[in-house]
Amino acid sequence: SAVISQKPSRDICQRGTSLTIQCQVDSQVTMMFWYRQQPGQSLTLIATANQGSEATYESGFVIDKFPISRPNLTFSTLTVSNMSPEDSSIYLCSVAVSGSTDTQYFGPGTRLTVL
Amino acid sequence: GDSVTQMEGPVTLSEEAFLTINCTYTATGYPSLFWYVQYPGEGLQLLLKATKADDKGSNKGFEATYRKETTSFHLEKGSVQVSDSAVYFCALSHDSTLTFGKGTMLLVSP
Repeated sequence: SAVISQKPSRDICQRGTSLTIQCQVDSQVTMMFWYRQQPGQSLTLIATANQGSEATYESGFVIDKFPISRPNLTFSTLTVSNMSPEDSSIYLCSVAVSGSTDTQYFGPGTRLTVL
Repeated sequence: GDSVTQMEGPVTLSEEAFLTINCTYTATGYPSLFWYVQYPGEGLQLLLKATKADDKGSNKGFEATYRKETTSFHLEKGSVQVSDSAVYFCALSHDSTLTFGKGTMLLVSP
C-alpha cells in the first residue's frame, strides 16, 4: 500500500474563487486519480493524473474547470476553478502501485464548502 | 458498461448482531472486487478484496466471497461493534478503472 496525504483537509471558499488541492504519496506510484464525492453520494472519477502530460478526464469534467498537474511520481494537484456552491464536495485522490494496478488506495480527502 | 448494485441503507443493528450487506455486479471479463469503508469524516479505506472466482477476502472480522455464478460479493461479519458504524462501498476494478456502488450506511447501537 501507500501513505497518502492531502492538503488542505478542509476549506470554506467564496464563489468565483479557485482552490488548489495537493496530494502527496510516500513512495513512487504508477497511477494517480482524482475523485469527487458529493454530499451523501458515492464517488465519481474526475480524471487520471498522468505524470508529465495532460490528465485524462472523464465525461462531464473539463480541464478548464479542474486543471490537474502531476510533475512527478509522488505528487499531484487538482484545482477547482471559478467555484460555485455546486462544487461543495469531498475531493479525494487515490493511487495504484506497480504490480497491483487493480487496487486503489485513497487519501483522507479534502472537504470543500463553497458559499 | 460495468455497474455495481448494493443494498440501500441505513442498516441498523445492535452490537454483536450478524451483518450482511449485499452487492451484485455487472461486468465483462473478470474484474477484481473490493469493499471499502468510510468512517465519519474520513476518506476511504480498503477493507478487503478478491481477484478471482471463489476467492474470499477477509479483514477485521469482515469477509466476502467472489461468486462468479451469481455475480455477487456480499459483505459479512459475525458480530458487529459500535465502531463498525460507517458507510461501506462495494466496487469493481476493470482495466484500472474503479466502479463504485452507491454505498450502504451501517449504524450499530450498543
